[in-house]
Formats: sequence, C-alpha cells, structure tokens
Amino acid sequence: EAGVTQFPSHSVIEKGQTVTLRCDPISGHDNLYWYRRVMGKEIKFLLHFVKESKQDESGMPNNRFLAERTGGTYSTLKVQPAELEDSGVYFCASSRTGTGFSYEQYFGPGTRLTVT
Amino acid sequence: SQKIEQNSEALNIQEGKTATLTCNYTNYSPAYLQWYRQDPGRGPVFLLLIRENEKEKRKERLKVTFDTTLKQSLFHITASQPADSATYLCAPTTDSWGKLQFGAGTQVVVTP
Repeated sequence: EAGVTQFPSHSVIEKGQTVTLRCDPISGHDNLYWYRRVMGKEIKFLLHFVKESKQDESGMPNNRFLAERTGGTYSTLKVQPAELEDSGVYFCASSRTGTGFSYEQYFGPGTRLTVT
Repeated sequence: SQKIEQNSEALNIQEGKTATLTCNYTNYSPAYLQWYRQDPGRGPVFLLLIRENEKEKRKERLKVTFDTTLKQSLFHITASQPADSATYLCAPTTDSWGKLQFGAGTQVVVTP
C-alpha cells in the first residue's frame, strides 16, 4: 500500500509569488488533513476534508490560503500571495473512513516551503 | 487557552535503559491522546492511542499511561535501542473528527 505522498518536497519562492502544494492520500482514506510547522513551533492543524467537503478549516491562517480536494482524491493547498511568515513545513495526513476519532493518521513527508 | 507541554530538553539515555517522556496539558479535557514519532525530514508516524477511560496501553516495548486527574500522559520506551532515537510528539485531542493538537515534542537520543 502506497503511503501519503506530497509534492514538491521543497519549494523556494519570493514574497508575493504563488505556490501550490499537492497531497495524495492513501487510497480509500476519506479523511485528509493539512498541518503546518513553522520554525521552532509545534505542528499546527490547518484544515480537514472528508471526501471533497471541508469539515473544518478553523486553522487556516487567512484568505491567502486556499485548499481544495477535487473528487475526494488528492488535495492542493495554494498560498497566494506568499508572505515570509508562511515559511515552514506543510504536512498532509490521511485516515480511514468514518469519523477520525479513533483512527491513526498517516502523514506524508512534508513540503518545506521557504519564502524569501 | 489550551496548552500542551512536553520537555523541550533532549533526553539522553543509554541503550537498554527505559526512557520516560512526559506530556502535560492544561485548560481542556482530551477524549483521547495519541503519541507519534518523528524522524528528521519525515512526517510523524503513529505509535499509540489511548482513550480517556483507559489507564494504560502497551505495544511491544512501548507503554503509555493517561492520568486525567493529573492531566498528564507518560510514554515509556523499555530496553531502548539506538534506533529509538527520534522526536516523540504527544497529541491530546478533543476533536471527534480527528483534528490533532500536538505538543512541541521531546527528542530522545539513545547511545550504545
């Protein structure tokens, strides 16, 4: 079974540019989560999809961040325009169908975003 | 506000000994708590989940306790090995949909 994959592994962009991160969850996992770790801080939740619907986007920092999950498969997270404080590692995770309560989450390797 | 505290200092331990990590939380009552392991350059990997009505959970050389009165979880690695060297994250969570709230993690270094 393939794990959660993320692309790119590393992205360096200039302030004001746009970047799109992609996550491919484990096949059959309805739950998809985005998290972020900024320098020196703990991993923070951004949002949660159940299939193609946004279940919880309370962690999204502002309207410069846009997440989509077309067809309930892969997901993209777009940052437009990027700011310096957006630098960090963005993780995607997925878990099995049903509520996420008791299901372990499988994390991807992360995308390291550097905004200069 | 909700707060999760893990020892920020690295835990250096000799191979074969037991490593004990602490996770304290304040201002909320998590329904369950997960522990993850993270290696450099990789995403967290799930280790154990314990529910609020469970006192202890074991998996191979790992043991987790959950004390809702003390608002604390202890994570033990018995007979530690150099391969256990990593950062360990706790996630005491209230969200039934699985949104995880992580502590900052504790680095464990096991020396031969």
